[in-house]
Amino acid sequence: GDSVTQTEGPVTVSESESLIINCTYSATSIAYPNLFWYVRYPGEGLQLLLKVITAGQKGSSRGFEATYNKETTSFHLQKASVQESDSAVYYCALGTQVVGQLTFGRGTRLQVYA
Amino acid sequence: DPKIIQKPKYLVAVTGSEKILICEQYLGHNAMYWYRQSAKKPLEFMFSYSYQKLMDNQTASSRFQPQSSKKNHLDLQITALKPDDSATYFCASSQLGTGGDERLFFGHGTKLSVL
Repeated sequence: GDSVTQTEGPVTVSESESLIINCTYSATSIAYPNLFWYVRYPGEGLQLLLKVITAGQKGSSRGFEATYNKETTSFHLQKASVQESDSAVYYCALGTQVVGQLTFGRGTRLQVYA
Repeated sequence: DPKIIQKPKYLVAVTGSEKILICEQYLGHNAMYWYRQSAKKPLEFMFSYSYQKLMDNQTASSRFQPQSSKKNHLDLQITALKPDDSATYFCASSQLGTGGDERLFFGHGTKLSVL
């Protein structure tokens, strides 16, 4: 079946440092799945951070970027300079052929300290 | 204010009992879903409903029954509870018919513990 593997947390970085959270996927049910990053801030529900539906394209939001690389089946999340408010749990996910069915990674907890 | 309300936030049950998890969405969406996250496992898709009709069911057990009394409600009834059912259950919704946009909106979850 489909699967997503991402950096095991927690990841701890200091403010203004750069960040990369790795995500690789295996899609058996669909050749070119849509790819997503979701985020859960403390006390809030899971929300979409960014999505990319075309291989080779880059998505960006709130200073985060991720590029859909079909050769390496990767969708790494990067940010040049993190802030304390970025502390959250980040989930990589892929879309299947079933409407509303996303396959998620286990999540990566990011802790940014001042 | 949260647009997807799940009740209760925490739930403790004994093995063999039955519980209902409540979900209401106020986003005007036409599709709703249930996901489950067990300890140290990823979020797993369970059901999808559109216009109060089941679209897809990925859970093998008939002990899990979604119930939709209104188009913005999708409750989850769990019967004959087992300790392995302990997990956080997330309700989600989306608007279908938007060109394949799979943007899901999630509730805060109900954490179920079965003793």
